[in-house]
Amino acid sequence: NAGVTQTPKFQVLKTGQSMTLQCAQDMNHEYMSWYRQDPGMGLRLIHYSVGAGITDQGEVPNGYNVSRSTTEDFPLRLLSAAPSQTSVYFCASSQRATSGRVNEQFFGPGTRLTVL
Amino acid sequence: AQSVTQLDSQVPVFEEAPVELRCNYSSSVSVYLFWYVQYPNQGLQLLLKYLSGSTLVKGINGFEAEFNKSQTSFHLRKPSVHISDTAEYFCAVNSGNTPLVFGKGTRLSVIA
Repeated sequence: NAGVTQTPKFQVLKTGQSMTLQCAQDMNHEYMSWYRQDPGMGLRLIHYSVGAGITDQGEVPNGYNVSRSTTEDFPLRLLSAAPSQTSVYFCASSQRATSGRVNEQFFGPGTRLTVL
Repeated sequence: AQSVTQLDSQVPVFEEAPVELRCNYSSSVSVYLFWYVQYPNQGLQLLLKYLSGSTLVKGINGFEAEFNKSQTSFHLRKPSVHISDTAEYFCAVNSGNTPLVFGKGTRLSVIA
């Protein structure tokens, strides 16, 4: 299994540009999430999905869109990038938690985004 | 709503000394608790988790954590640290089918 993969690893954008951060997992996990990591702020949840066709907002959703058309993929879209979106972005996936089963999240390697 | 407080943003410690990284949480329901480690320029790796049962949980790399329900704490400990333990450590909580909520992290620096 490749686990959780993210592309690209690095990206530089100009203010106002759009782009999509890709995330894919091959573990047939139902749950997928996007976090951003900023110095001294820990990881903050942007959006998450509990299954194909279902998404919901996290703590910091403004400026980001998501969709979940397949179980495997969960892309994150920046429609008009702003310098405040300079951050490291992590995608994660997990199984649905049921009695006796662990809801451990597996993380991708991250995408480092700089918006000028 | 759930929240996690990591009480120390930075912890310097000499090599081979013991270390404790403190984590307190707030939740109105039963929780699962996790510690993740992030080495420089890498993603997050699970160190250990508490689901239920024994309150002392052992993880990878010699780390352990103790769940204390009355104090709503889940402190991480290691009896003797190595240079290679230098990293950022994150405490996190969820209630099963809810997203993880992370603390702000503790940067552990091991000094030779």
